[in-house]
Amino acid sequence: DAGVIQSPRHEVTEMGQEVTLRCKPISGHDYLFWYRQTMMRGLELLIYFNNNVPIDDSGMPEDRFSAKMPNASFSTLKIQPSEPRDSAVYFCASNHGGDSPLHFGNGTRLTVT
Amino acid sequence: AQKITQTQPGMFVQEKEAVTLDCTYDTSDQSYGLFWYKQPSSGEMIFLIYQGSYDEQNATEGRYSLNFQKARKSANLVISASQLGDSAMYFCAMRNTGNQFYFGTGTSLTVIP
Repeated sequence: DAGVIQSPRHEVTEMGQEVTLRCKPISGHDYLFWYRQTMMRGLELLIYFNNNVPIDDSGMPEDRFSAKMPNASFSTLKIQPSEPRDSAVYFCASNHGGDSPLHFGNGTRLTVT
Repeated sequence: AQKITQTQPGMFVQEKEAVTLDCTYDTSDQSYGLFWYKQPSSGEMIFLIYQGSYDEQNATEGRYSLNFQKARKSANLVISASQLGDSAMYFCAMRNTGNQFYFGTGTSLTVIP
């Protein structure tokens, strides 16, 4: 079991640039979640998918954020254009529903200057 | 609305002593799950223990136990025989019927030698 894999681990970009974060969930997990962690707001649920379909994106901050899951083994979170206030650690997590816990990736630390 | 409350921003415990980290939750769902995660300074999110809303016995996992009081809507984590490696942030989380996970703001635990 390779776990949830996120890339890149660190991303530093300038304001206005497009940022794409990537996630590979655990094989067989049919739920995928994107979270953002900051000191001020803690862990925020941005969006989650079930069987590749977005179920709830009410946590996505604004139109600059978009997420896709083209297949069961890959998801992206895109920020365009990026702003300094987007600086945070972005976690991807997956589970197979029911009583199963969330399995988290190691996160992507995004810094927007 | 779902809500998780962790009222202890920081806690200290002497090595080898037990410590209780508080968590209360608010939900109107009949079926839900409660989880605790550990986040060491390296940043990864580590699943510790799970309690289902219909479980009558408190969950235990090694040195971790969950003191579940359903009527009071509390799910406190008890760590016995604290070790230096237990120093970390601890997050309480609740899964609702729709498999959405909500996290508390966390408690920073420091184990003193």
